[in-house]
Amino acid sequence: AQRVTQPEKLLSVFKGAPVELKCNYSYSGSPELFWYVQYSRQRLQLLLRHISRESIKGFTADLNKGETSFHLKKPFAQEEDSAMYYCALRGLPGGYQKVTFGIGTKLQVIP
Amino acid sequence: DTEVTQTPKHLVMGMTNKKSLKCEQHMGHRAMYWYKQKAKKPPELMFVYSYEKLSINESVPSRFSPECPNSSLLNLHLHALQPEDSALYLCASSQDFSELFFGEGSRLTVL
Repeated sequence: AQRVTQPEKLLSVFKGAPVELKCNYSYSGSPELFWYVQYSRQRLQLLLRHISRESIKGFTADLNKGETSFHLKKPFAQEEDSAMYYCALRGLPGGYQKVTFGIGTKLQVIP
Repeated sequence: DTEVTQTPKHLVMGMTNKKSLKCEQHMGHRAMYWYKQKAKKPPELMFVYSYEKLSINESVPSRFSPECPNSSLLNLHLHALQPEDSALYLCASSQDFSELFFGEGSRLTVL
């Protein structure tokens, strides 16, 4: 079974402060990890994935297989980062068609 | 066209009604998904279609009946639903089972 854990339902930080949204996963095979974001009144969309190793909107995430984690980080939070963030896992190879989402963390950036 | 379009945006139905949710994409994606999302919960996978064939059914009750008439369309037929089925129903598509592209969802209320 594949499982994604996001321990914080709500994270409040001040503008300019560093942000870290935690994600831990459980999967016996080789996972593909994603972060999806949902801004207010917008559809759920991909923020980044571990395979591409990109930095999107200043966010980065590194897959740590030893700690089974994929935490999302940004050095300086902006007000426009306020949104709902979901960590997601696709299991490879057997569960490649199934994407499992964590419960989500609401990021609130205080001006 | 890089969007997934869902209709209707809102639907109210009685427990004896028959209705359908529709989803359309013209990105040439060969995988399409139905997710259910309750308030303050993550999206939960219901069905996956791959190349127009049902490949995953997450033990969804038979009162939900998916249909994929062609590679661009995905329907979800609803019959004899219960009030607890009220939720946001999200359609998504992907190419090669990578990034999911989500629609805005259809908000269903069952009276």
